[in-house]
Amino acid sequence: AQSVTQLDSHVSVSEGTPVLLRCNYSSSYSPSLFWYVQHPNKGLQLLLKYTSAATLVKGINGFEAEFKKSETSFHLTKPSAHMSDAAEYFCVVIGWLGARQLTFGSGTQLTVLP
Amino acid sequence: DGGITQSPKYLFRKEGQNVTLSCEQNLNHDAMYWYRQDPGQGLRLIYYSQIVNDFQKGDIAEGYSVSREKKESFPLTVTSAQKNPTAFYLCASSRVGRGYSNQPQHFGDGTRLSIL
Repeated sequence: AQSVTQLDSHVSVSEGTPVLLRCNYSSSYSPSLFWYVQHPNKGLQLLLKYTSAATLVKGINGFEAEFKKSETSFHLTKPSAHMSDAAEYFCVVIGWLGARQLTFGSGTQLTVLP
Repeated sequence: DGGITQSPKYLFRKEGQNVTLSCEQNLNHDAMYWYRQDPGQGLRLIYYSQIVNDFQKGDIAEGYSVSREKKESFPLTVTSAQKNPTAFYLCASSRVGRGYSNQPQHFGDGTRLSIL
C-alpha cells in the first residue's frame, strides 16, 4: 500500500520570499515521486520527478525537491516566489505497478501576495 | 507539438442523459487514463487502458464507461447511473513497458462537467 500526505492545504507567501510545500509519503517499495502544478481550469503540469537517482531534484521554474528516505519526505521548495507561482500543487507517488498506480496527495493551494 | 486534447472544455448534462467526453493524444503513448477531480481533493482514477481494445476499472468506475478502439483515443461516457457527475475530468497518457515503469503521466487541460 502507498499513500501521500500533503501537510498544508493552503500556503501563503509574499512575492520574493521562499516557498516550502510539504509532502510525506509511505510506500512498501522504493518509490518514484513527482510534483505537479495545476493552474485554474487547466491540466496538471509536471514540475519535477524523483526516480532513485540524485536525492536533490531540480525542476522547472526554479523549483526543487529533496527526497529524504529517513523522514519519508519529498518537500518542494523555491528560493523566491513569483506571482505566477500561484496555483495548486500535487505530490504524487507511483507504485510498483507503474503509471497505473499513481496516488495523489490532496493538494496545496499556494497564494503569492504582492 | 505533441500533447493531449480534451473536448469540450465545458459540458452540461441534463438529468437522465449520457454524455461523452473526448480525449485524443498524439504522443504515441500506449496507456491512457481518466481521472475525476473534486474541489479540495486529489485526483481519483476512473478507468485506464494500457493497450487498444483493453481497459480496466479504477477506484471509482461505477456510472462511467470507456472504449479504446484506437491508440490515440480514449473517450469517457458519463452515464445516467452516475448520480453525482459534477466534477473536473482529466485525461492522461503515459508510456508503458520495460524502462517506463516510473515515468510520469501527461495531462490534458480537462473538461468541466455540470448538471443542468
